Amino acid sequence: KNEVEQSPQNLTAQEGEFITINCSYSVGISALHWLQQHPGGGIVSLFMLSSGKKKHGRLIATINIQEKHSSLHITASHPRDSAVYICAVSPTGNQFYFGTGTSLTVIP
Amino acid sequence: ETGVTQTPRHLVMGMTNKKSLKCEQHLGHNAMYWYKQSAKKPLELMFVYNFKEQTENNSVPSRFSPECPNSSHLFLHLHTLQPEDSALYLCASSQGLAGAYEQYFGPGTRLTVT
Repeated sequence: KNEVEQSPQNLTAQEGEFITINCSYSVGISALHWLQQHPGGGIVSLFMLSSGKKKHGRLIATINIQEKHSSLHITASHPRDSAVYICAVSPTGNQFYFGTGTSLTVIP
Repeated sequence: ETGVTQTPRHLVMGMTNKKSLKCEQHLGHNAMYWYKQSAKKPLELMFVYNFKEQTENNSVPSRFSPECPNSSHLFLHLHTLQPEDSALYLCASSQGLAGAYEQYFGPGTRLTVT
């Protein structure tokens, strides 16, 4: 069993739609990270959360520590948002557990 | 150059070869990481270095040997690999240990073991 579960695994949306990707984890954490991986492999860190909510442009990330759950929202989705979104949690500074990722395709 | 660079970007090697992957970060960070990403599997943390000292080795087989000569450079020495070691190998760095700091990733080395 993976310590981090993401849903959905695959998601196709029309341009402009509101998108939500969910992440549940089973361990106590010091931080949760949302990452974006484009075709070709490059990974970019989107958010690092330990509580509450963060917003960057059209991206919003929330976390509920008590429920061990986080969501990544994309408002007004665009084809350039097509990528794999990965949730990662850190129980301690030395360790990381990763979800298998959500593959998002936004159709024009 | 800025950010985190990795060389080579692609590598094909036989099971009896010895090769090395190189990672360099130009961000002044103190922690560096090696990850393995296999198809359809989550990213796996392999090694963590903080201030050049190895702080984590996630039960990685000895055919993978890391080296961190300074805080800017990280190597992964490979020998007698198996076909199942074919994967994307990613290097990352962070200001401190990444539970509390954002990680910056390199573009990865796509390794194929024949």
